[in-house]
Amino acid sequence: NAGVTQTPKFQVLKTGQSMTLQCAQDMNHEYMSWYRQDPGMGLRLIHYSVGAGITDQGEVPNGYNVSRSTTEDFPLRLLSAAPSQTSVYFCASSYQLSSYNSPLHFGNGTRLTVT
Amino acid sequence: DQQVKQNSPSLSVQEGRISILNCDYTNSMFDYFLWYKKYPAEGPTFLISISSIKDKNEDGRFTVFLNKSAKHLSLHIVPSQPGDSAVYFCAARTSNAGGTSYGKLTFGQGTILTVHP
Repeated sequence: NAGVTQTPKFQVLKTGQSMTLQCAQDMNHEYMSWYRQDPGMGLRLIHYSVGAGITDQGEVPNGYNVSRSTTEDFPLRLLSAAPSQTSVYFCASSYQLSSYNSPLHFGNGTRLTVT
Repeated sequence: DQQVKQNSPSLSVQEGRISILNCDYTNSMFDYFLWYKKYPAEGPTFLISISSIKDKNEDGRFTVFLNKSAKHLSLHIVPSQPGDSAVYFCAARTSNAGGTSYGKLTFGQGTILTVHP
């Protein structure tokens, strides 16, 4: 099991560029989510999905889009990058959103810099 | 508003001593609390959790205490080891009484623990 795999590990974008952060999991988890980590802010939920074809917004969704066409993949799209989106992005998955016994499994993160 | 707060950005402890990391929360809809540990350049990994119906949960060197009346939880690490040096995040899960927020985790800001040999 590879767990949760995120690509790329690092990315530099210019303001206004678009890109997709990839996330894949091989644990057959229903629930997948994207977080961003900023200094002093902890981890904040961007978007999440409770299954293929179902997505919803988290705490900080503006400027990001997601889709979930398969159970395994949950890409995060930045439509027009802004310096405020400079952050470390983590993808996480778990068996079920509501399960006590299924804590989140995180990928190793993508460090994004927008200049 | 920060519903889960870790007010100590950092903590330094001598090897072998106890490390106590604290976390406060404001939302009474939280029903489950977790601690995650994060090393540099890695994602957070699950460490230990506690249900709101309990006041203590122990797993080896790690114990989590929950004081519901004070809306406070703490993580005790005894004895502390240099390999415990990491960022520790407290997280809280919203119960099914929380409507559309059911099941989502809210994280604190993190505390950097440094254990000196």
